[in-house]
Amino acid sequence: SQTIHQWPATLVQPVGSPLSLECTVEGTSNPNLYWYRQAAGRGLQLLFYSVGIGQISSEVPQNLSASRPQDRQFILSSKKLLLSDSGFYLCAWSVERGRFFGPGTRLTVL
Amino acid sequence: RKEVEQDPGPFNVPEGATVAFNCTYSNSASQSFFWYRQDCRKEPKLLMSVYSSGNEDGRFTAQLNRASQYISLLIRDSKLSDSATYLCVVSGGGADGLTFGKGTHLIIQP
Repeated sequence: SQTIHQWPATLVQPVGSPLSLECTVEGTSNPNLYWYRQAAGRGLQLLFYSVGIGQISSEVPQNLSASRPQDRQFILSSKKLLLSDSGFYLCAWSVERGRFFGPGTRLTVL
Repeated sequence: RKEVEQDPGPFNVPEGATVAFNCTYSNSASQSFFWYRQDCRKEPKLLMSVYSSGNEDGRFTAQLNRASQYISLLIRDSKLSDSATYLCVVSGGGADGLTFGKGTHLIIQP
């Protein structure tokens, strides 16, 4: 069966610090992978998606970046966090109908 | 007009009652429709797809009205465990081919 892992589950970081969130999937090959952010009181916002190793499409120009070094690994990074980066970060992959989400990382930037 | 609109609620419903909520969408070319359930501080999980003829899964019934461009979710004999936020998801729009509503918050009261 397919599973998706994210870590850490929660994170508290100071403004200006770097960020690295990791997502790995199991039980599938060459998946389309996605990073979403859900801020308080707002809907899911697509940040990045990837159709393969090294292929990243960015939907929101900001201080975040993404990389896909391996087929089943997707990383979200920042060199300097902003207060507005706080939120619930969700990794997802495509299923035939819809999306399957990982457990998410709750990021608080202070 | 927003692409996918939902009444944010909260809907406060007594246990055992029937509750229904709608979601309207603006893209007439949309072909796929879903309801997701999101528990507090958890990731969204697929509840059910919505088919043109309507479909039922236990106490849950989903319907699609293409003419009026809305989908609905009906929950019969509601349980305390049904308390959650219900996200409407529609294909089309967005770089990843999906548009998420902001969700309807449902609270089942004993």
